[in-house]
Amino acid sequence: LAKTTQPISMDSYEGQEVNITCSHNNIATNDYITWYQQFPSQGPRFIIQGYKTKVTNEVASLFIPADRKSSTLSLPRVSLSDTAVYYCLVGENTGRRALTFGSGTRLQVQP
Amino acid sequence: ETGVTQTPRHLVMGMTNKKSLKCEQHLGHNAMYWYKQSAKKPLELMFVYNFKEQTENNSVPSRFSPECPNSSHLFLHLHTLQPEDSALYLCASAGSYNEQFFGPGTRLTVL
Repeated sequence: LAKTTQPISMDSYEGQEVNITCSHNNIATNDYITWYQQFPSQGPRFIIQGYKTKVTNEVASLFIPADRKSSTLSLPRVSLSDTAVYYCLVGENTGRRALTFGSGTRLQVQP
Repeated sequence: ETGVTQTPRHLVMGMTNKKSLKCEQHLGHNAMYWYKQSAKKPLELMFVYNFKEQTENNSVPSRFSPECPNSSHLFLHLHTLQPEDSALYLCASAGSYNEQFFGPGTRLTVL
């Protein structure tokens, strides 16, 4: 499974755009990139998944460069409620193997 | 509401007790997982089931015994646990693209 590297923590203010970058240098051809959000004492919540270029949904955007060795989760105009841990996972999207959660990035949004 | 439910939400047990955690998913998924999350640590994958068959066991001690009677239900039977087993136990199910949906978790305290 491809190993991922994310910043341990980030700080932001309400209303700002936050970009969290994840490195996955040994990503395989069949691997997808998936991001999750976790609040304290709750299970992680699926945010977005992509393979290449750009994916956007109502919550976030995911930017993946052509070499796919990194990806960036973009959260537009964050609010206090976006304070959470964000995980980047890389692996096949077939469901045959579970993905491994790393330490994630702890995002703190200040007023 | 993610479509994955877990009971009980909180459990306190002694080291000699036997208890079971229950997970049910209403999403029609074929893959289900048990994770353990200790305080301020990443999620640890414990067991993976695909189509009711166990496909991964990440060196989990035998005092944890999973059971998957059908694709919608997953149990974790607990026996002679240790205080260090106190943690948040999370169940998840995965769809066709391996996006995982997590339940709210069971907060377990072993005295």
